Parts: sequence; C-alpha cells; structure tokens
Amino acid sequence: NAGVMQNPRHLVRRRGQEARLRCSPMKGHSHVYWYRQLPEEGLKFMVYLQKENIIDESGMPKERFSAEFPKEGPSILRIQQVVRGDSAAYFCASSPDGQDYGYTFGSGTRLTVV
Amino acid sequence: GEDVEQSLFLSVREGDSSVINCTYTDSSSTYLYWYKQEPGAGLQLLTYIFSNMDMKQDQRLTVLLNKKDKHLSLRIADTQTGDSAIYFCAERKPGGSYIPTFGRGTSLIVHP
Repeated sequence: NAGVMQNPRHLVRRRGQEARLRCSPMKGHSHVYWYRQLPEEGLKFMVYLQKENIIDESGMPKERFSAEFPKEGPSILRIQQVVRGDSAAYFCASSPDGQDYGYTFGSGTRLTVV
Repeated sequence: GEDVEQSLFLSVREGDSSVINCTYTDSSSTYLYWYKQEPGAGLQLLTYIFSNMDMKQDQRLTVLLNKKDKHLSLRIADTQTGDSAIYFCAERKPGGSYIPTFGRGTSLIVHP
C-alpha cells in the first residue's frame, strides 16, 4: 500500500521555463492538498482539490500557478514562467475525505530555479 | 496573532525529555496536530488531539492542550538521536474547507 507518491523528487528549471509537479494520492484517497515550504519557513497551504474539482485555492498565487486533479491520473501542480522565488519544496498530501484526523504527506518535490 | 507560533530550535541531551511548545490562533480550532519532518522527507503525522481533550498520551509522546491560553505542547520522554527532526504544530479551524494551518516548525537537536 504505497503512500503519497510525488515526482520528481528534485527538479531544476531555468527562469522562464515551466515546472510540472505530480502527486499520486494514497489508494482510496480522493482529496489532495498542495503546500509549499520556502526556506526557513513553515508550510503554506496552496490548493485543495478533489477529483475534477478545485475546492479551495485561497493559497495559490494569482498568476502563473495552476493545479488540477483529473478523473484519471495524478494531481498536477503547474508553475509557468518560473522565477527564483519559486524555489521551494512542494508537498502534496491526501486524505480519504475532507474531514480527516490528519493528512498523509508525500516526500515532496524540491524545485530549484536557476 | 495571525500565525501559529513555535520556537525555532530546541537542543536536548539524549535520554532527557523534550518539550516543544506551540501557540495557535483560534480558540475554537477543532483539531490540533503534531507532525514530524526528517531531513529530506515529507511530514509524518505523529499525533493529534481533539479540542475537548486536555491531554493525550501515546507511548513516549504526551500532548497537553490549554484552550484558554491557546497553547499546545508535545513532550517526548527519553529523547533519542532518532528524534532529531523538525516538529510542526498545526491547527484546524472550524468552517471553511478545514485546511490545517501550520507553524514554522521547531528543529529538535538531540546530542549524545
């Protein structure tokens, strides 16, 4: 029973390129959450999705960032035209329902923009 | 305050007890969580406490909740070097989409 799978583990992009981060939730989990961890900071919520629906995107930057969780396949966090300030660890978590006793987190994708 | 507050660092000797403190923001928060993050890894849920409890014990871990002061603590008994990690406190406020809000994390350093 694999946990939350994120890939790639490390991603290097040049400024202006696109970054795509993938997250496969735990089996049986239909709720996915994306968080960002900037250096020396805590986790900041970005977006909460269910299959084919965005439930809460209050933490998403207004531009360049988008997320989806299609009916089939992993959830994708897309960052267009990356800038140095996007360098961070991006964590995905999943839960079987929206009112859980705690999430299961993946190991994260560490994005470095050069 | 607006943020979940934690001290950034704690250093203890192996075998001693560690106490990590957290002040959260909303007295009506329903669940309070402690997560552990080891280097290069994701967050692992250690324990949680429901707001109608004031204490929860799980093996070496003891969670104390003071709702009046909005204060949460995690005590680790007989701390081991393997406990060295970052510990995050999080609160889940009522209403909305129930998204937990995390603190900045406390780096626990255990030395022999």
